[in-house]
Amino acid sequence: GAVVSQHPSWVICKSGTSVKIECRSLDFQATTMFWYRQFPKQSLMLMATSNEGSKATYEQGVEKDKFLINHASLTLSTLTVTSAHPEDSSFYICSARDPVGGADTQYFGPGTRLTVL
Amino acid sequence: EDQVTQSPEALRLQEGESSSLNCSYTVSGLRGLFWYRQDPGKGPEFLFTLYSAGEEKEKERLKATLTKKESFLHITAPKPEDSATYLCAVRFQGGKLIFGQGTELSVKP
Repeated sequence: GAVVSQHPSWVICKSGTSVKIECRSLDFQATTMFWYRQFPKQSLMLMATSNEGSKATYEQGVEKDKFLINHASLTLSTLTVTSAHPEDSSFYICSARDPVGGADTQYFGPGTRLTVL
Repeated sequence: EDQVTQSPEALRLQEGESSSLNCSYTVSGLRGLFWYRQDPGKGPEFLFTLYSAGEEKEKERLKATLTKKESFLHITAPKPEDSATYLCAVRFQGGKLIFGQGTELSVKP
């Protein structure tokens, strides 16, 4: 299957700082990528849909000024958590849609564990 | 309201004890049902995509089936390495995936 990578795999930062997370599709071009967050023992919650070359679409309740998304190329999307606070600590997972072959399957990255002190 | 419900929340099996996981949905305009496996601290790993009622897919000890209202993930003679959380997700006309809460499977030797 298609491979999606994320970097970093984990990050610890101080409250008030910004953190950037990268999501890359390694062997396919993804016009659409998605960002999720997952709290312990809970399922994935979609934060935003990232489209290459255009503005991201945020889900209701997600602050677009706090979670900045950039999808500058067909293989890279970034999520920047600005002025992070302890409540932003979570597991952030990206996914990319591979439309080849008509299956239109979403493949997920390994996730980034963010801890804000 | 579009909704995806998985049951049971947790399932404990002995090695070799076959069982099924359920995913029921109320979604208008289904555009695909997806099964993923997620290990602790990792991203979901794609297993299957089902598009229409009656469709079945198999991979090793796993078999996924789909009806108009639900999907089953059958696990035949499971092994300890099958222990994981299994997630069901549905794509509807808006294009987004709606995830169920997952079933945490534990297989004891």
